[in-house]
Amino acid sequence: DAGVIQSPRHEVTEMGQEVTLRCKPISGHDYLFWYRQTMMRGLELLIYFNNNVPIDDSGMPEDRFSAKMPNASFSTLKIQPSEPRDSAVYFCASSLYEISYNEQFFGPGTRLTVL
Amino acid sequence: DAKTTQPPSMDCAEGRAANLPCNHSTISGNEYVYWYRQIHSQGPQYIIHGLKNNETNEMASLIITEDRKSSTLILPHATLRDTAVYYCIVRDNYGQNFVFGPGTRLSVLP
Repeated sequence: DAGVIQSPRHEVTEMGQEVTLRCKPISGHDYLFWYRQTMMRGLELLIYFNNNVPIDDSGMPEDRFSAKMPNASFSTLKIQPSEPRDSAVYFCASSLYEISYNEQFFGPGTRLTVL
Repeated sequence: DAKTTQPPSMDCAEGRAANLPCNHSTISGNEYVYWYRQIHSQGPQYIIHGLKNNETNEMASLIITEDRKSSTLILPHATLRDTAVYYCIVRDNYGQNFVFGPGTRLSVLP
């Protein structure tokens, strides 16, 4: 398996623009997580899904952030409009309850820079 | 609120054992201790977890004190590739999300 795939790996955009980050979880995994990592706040959970349904979005910073999972193999995290303080590395992770319940597999991350 | 405390940084000589401590004095009976690490510019990677017994796998050993208020992650023969930030996390078996603290930055020195 190729592991968790994220795209793009790097994104540079200007304030006010819409940004869409993409994630393909490991095939067969039923949980998907979005994290954000900054120097100031460390690694924070934003939202997670179980069987494509959002379970906990309490970490989503504000209404400018939205996440969807239209099917088991794809998820997006959208920021509209983007702001410089959104600059961070965004990680997607997936896990499978029955087999690797205790282990989340992380993707390589998307480094977002908002100018 | 942080459930664990770890030293911010540690050094270890290559080839030696690296012992990374973690305090979790408020851990409850159904909470597990997990360790993840994050090598620079990569996503975190699972290492090991345990409840109350010591655990060992191909990567590391986890020693949990009898009162479960602290634990130690042991990398038996540290290599330069083990240089990373190591996160100690406590979580019960019903939760799904991991709360990552600042971790310990381990530097393995040649």
